[in-house]
Amino acid sequence: QSALTQPGSVSGSPGQSITISCTGTSSDVGAYNYVSWYQQRPGKAPKLMIYDVSNRPSGVSNRFSGSKSGNTASLTISGLQAEDETDYYCSSYTRSRTWVFGGGTKLTVL
Amino acid sequence: EVQLVESGGGLLQPGGSLRLSCAASGFTFNDYWMHWVRQAPGKGLVWVSHINGDGSRITYADSVKGRFTISRDNAKNTLYLQMNSLRAEDTAVYFCARGDGWQFDPWGQGTLVTVSS
Repeated sequence: QSALTQPGSVSGSPGQSITISCTGTSSDVGAYNYVSWYQQRPGKAPKLMIYDVSNRPSGVSNRFSGSKSGNTASLTISGLQAEDETDYYCSSYTRSRTWVFGGGTKLTVL
Repeated sequence: EVQLVESGGGLLQPGGSLRLSCAASGFTFNDYWMHWVRQAPGKGLVWVSHINGDGSRITYADSVKGRFTISRDNAKNTLYLQMNSLRAEDTAVYFCARGDGWQFDPWGQGTLVTVSS
């Protein structure tokens, strides 16, 4: 049950697009289209942003999008805004019938 | 409004036991899987355990298997996590989350468990 691999930090300027990667294995990310992404502000509970690789819950801005290729999933945030600056986590269901999270990525808006 | 409220956290010594609760409201509790996820101070999210709607299917992370027990009381709309043989590395905020499909949505506000001598 090793954590999925995310970059520790990413940054971008307002209006730009950034992508956060989430690399797993053929036993988790590569096995199913059950990758989800969460936004977590300091001291708060995580919030679902993307589910089933690329689906957005109602109420989440269409600036957030997800994709997957092989064992790597990605979260893209377009039109970067100051309010997007916080932590992001990916998660995947696994062949072991468990779930695993990524280590988290801190997004800085320059 | 869907709401999850955790309780039961606290400070305890290594080797101790604690039971966390998660009170659910605003949805048909027994229709949903439920999860516990934890987050050590300054660290990332770690999935801990899952239970299906009627409690017949349960899974655990290897790090807690044999020490933690997840359960639910559908009559009380409440999820539980019994934690035994606690270690310093179990120190974390424990979140309950509804399993909406294969993702976690929504989450409770979390309850802090501190294991220290």
